Amino acid sequence: DIVMTQSPDSLAVSLGEGATINCKSSQSVSYNSGGKEALAWYQQRPGQPPKLLIYWASTREYGVPDRFSGSGSGTDFTLTIRSLQAEDVAVYYCLQYYSTPWTFGQGTKVEIK
Amino acid sequence: EVRLVQSGAEVKKPGESLKISCRGSGYIFTNYWVAWVRQMPGKGLEWMGVIYPGDSNTKYRPSFEGQVTISADKSINTAYLQWTSLKASDSAMYYCARHRSFTVPDSVVPLWFDLWGQGSLVTVSS
Repeated sequence: DIVMTQSPDSLAVSLGEGATINCKSSQSVSYNSGGKEALAWYQQRPGQPPKLLIYWASTREYGVPDRFSGSGSGTDFTLTIRSLQAEDVAVYYCLQYYSTPWTFGQGTKVEIK
Repeated sequence: EVRLVQSGAEVKKPGESLKISCRGSGYIFTNYWVAWVRQMPGKGLEWMGVIYPGDSNTKYRPSFEGQVTISADKSINTAYLQWTSLKASDSAMYYCARHRSFTVPDSVVPLWFDLWGQGSLVTVSS
């Protein structure tokens, strides 16, 4: 199985400030050619199912605010939240879909400082 | 509206059987893989297995193989997750999720999850 490790486990950020979440895979999730990274990011607010934010490591899902951005390749990926809003309080998960079983990171809890 | 609607919360005793459901609407159900994802209390997300309703092709995470059964009834656009003998450790929230996919000759390859059900809470307690 590909192990996904996120850091930090939690972070507290002031409203309007930025937040960065890292995700590292135990092996590359990059397809051979075309620069496609099989990595997605999800937001899970309390009491709700996960919501897709980013796929192919950097493509924002339709309707997701542009303050969310993803980057990275190979084994190292980052989710950046620019200018944190109150509604961004949630747990964020990365997911690799390069190979079965699909595996998630352990989650990063984002709170307001 | 494209959605997945899951069956409601269940309270069961150890040893009892259970089948929870996930009904898709607003899209062609048979064209997309549907997965089941477990979230134990206060914990993260764990992929359990997946089914392609078009032909009932099913894949399981090894740790869940033999513990649960994933099935689908394409005539009513519904996927199922089933237990024959529940344990207390099965207490969790269970989500179904649709895979975005791409088609290659003779195959539909599942990718990320783009649509989630609201979750079905299963509580197993004596």
